[in-house]
Amino acid sequence: RKEVEQDPGPFNVPEGATVAFNCTYSNSASQSFFWYRQDCRKEPKLLMSVYSSGNEDGRFTAQLNRASQYISLLIRDSKLSDSATYLCVVNILRGFQKLVFGTGTRLLVSP
Amino acid sequence: DGGITQSPKYLFRKEGQNVTLSCEQNLNHDAMYWYRQDPGQGLRLIYYSQIVNDFQKGDIAEGYSVSREKKESFPLTVTSAQKNPTAFYLCASSIAVPLLGTSLIEQFFGPGTRLTVL
Repeated sequence: RKEVEQDPGPFNVPEGATVAFNCTYSNSASQSFFWYRQDCRKEPKLLMSVYSSGNEDGRFTAQLNRASQYISLLIRDSKLSDSATYLCVVNILRGFQKLVFGTGTRLLVSP
Repeated sequence: DGGITQSPKYLFRKEGQNVTLSCEQNLNHDAMYWYRQDPGQGLRLIYYSQIVNDFQKGDIAEGYSVSREKKESFPLTVTSAQKNPTAFYLCASSIAVPLLGTSLIEQFFGPGTRLTVL
């Protein structure tokens, strides 16, 4: 079983749609959680850290369920510019940042 | 502007040759990392360094070597011992993670180097 699992997609949605991605992780001792965004042939960039209580940043909402070991990302009112690959990332160590990356979920937003 | 630079952007190598990928950061970060990304796979950690003159193997260190003589620089050498070196190589940096306190620390990535072995 992979340490971090994501549906690779692609998710094809029209502009204005709401779309949700889930991610599961296997290490129950995981310390912190992130969503990174990666555009085609570019480097990943941090989209959001995921807090235990859940957090929102504009159109983006991240949730963490430690009991079920999954993380979610909700994107509301999708824009064309949201088209990218979204990487679920888990830090599995305390005292050092050892990130484990999912393979990513590809999102395509169409006009 | 502060950031991470990697060079070259594209690199072609003949089998049996060693090649060194450059990574420089001016963010004053203590920690630096090297990853490789292959199609359909997540990023995998090759080496990391938490402080100057110290580095540790990641999950896939075989066939690679690094040095950390300066805080700003963390070059990666892909040796001829690396069996499948063709990949997208990403360097990252972050502030050091405090032993007590948050580990919600962002890693900043460079633009990457695409290495192709001919």
